[in-house]
Amino acid sequence: GAGVSQSPSNKVTEKGKDVELRCDPISGHTALYWYRQSLGQGLEFLIYFQGNSAPDKSGLPSDRFSAERTGGSVSTLTIQRTQQEDSAVYLCASSRLTSGRGNEQFFGPGTRLTVL
Amino acid sequence: GNSVTQMEGPVTLSEEAFLTINCTYTATGYPSLFWYVQYPGEGLQLLLKATKADDKGSNKGFEATYRKETTSFHLEKGSVQVSDSAVYFCALTMGNTGKLIFGQGTTLQVKP
Repeated sequence: GAGVSQSPSNKVTEKGKDVELRCDPISGHTALYWYRQSLGQGLEFLIYFQGNSAPDKSGLPSDRFSAERTGGSVSTLTIQRTQQEDSAVYLCASSRLTSGRGNEQFFGPGTRLTVL
Repeated sequence: GNSVTQMEGPVTLSEEAFLTINCTYTATGYPSLFWYVQYPGEGLQLLLKATKADDKGSNKGFEATYRKETTSFHLEKGSVQVSDSAVYFCALTMGNTGKLIFGQGTTLQVKP
């Protein structure tokens, strides 16, 4: 399996609970991105990590959302006190580099989050 | 800010028909442009890209030309197949961050 993997594939939670979503990027990819795909908002950028640099959190919709990337590999997206509007498919992507133009991002299958 | 606008879907075509999906962008500089495709039950994957004006990206019979004068990157295919049925996303990146800004997606359905 050389692709980006995400877990769980589906998550159903109750409003107010915290959830953690995991992403395993392609080995050797230094850049990692999180996006959200929802019916009302389409595909939105959330956060990205590049090596040891400070992450770009400019797309996070509220302070209930946070993410970390340990050891430059696996990343976890945490949503605290979930709300129904957080229901969406959360996509992770990785790429070899971010410098230069047109670097391809490889996407994982996503985690479908449903907040009841 | 930077943004991408795609034609509304769904687009329904018969097999072997000609396909055009319009995409225009707004950007403060010189973006790289992409088409991503999401087949039913599968993840997003890159279809083609172009990184500077007048470049043509092509893959699997699909083509798109980066038109700076009209800020467009329309996707075309001369003869679609049922297997091309999917959701198509136009996107751009700016600078060195690589973060993608997507259009709203266009669903294509090809009937035999």
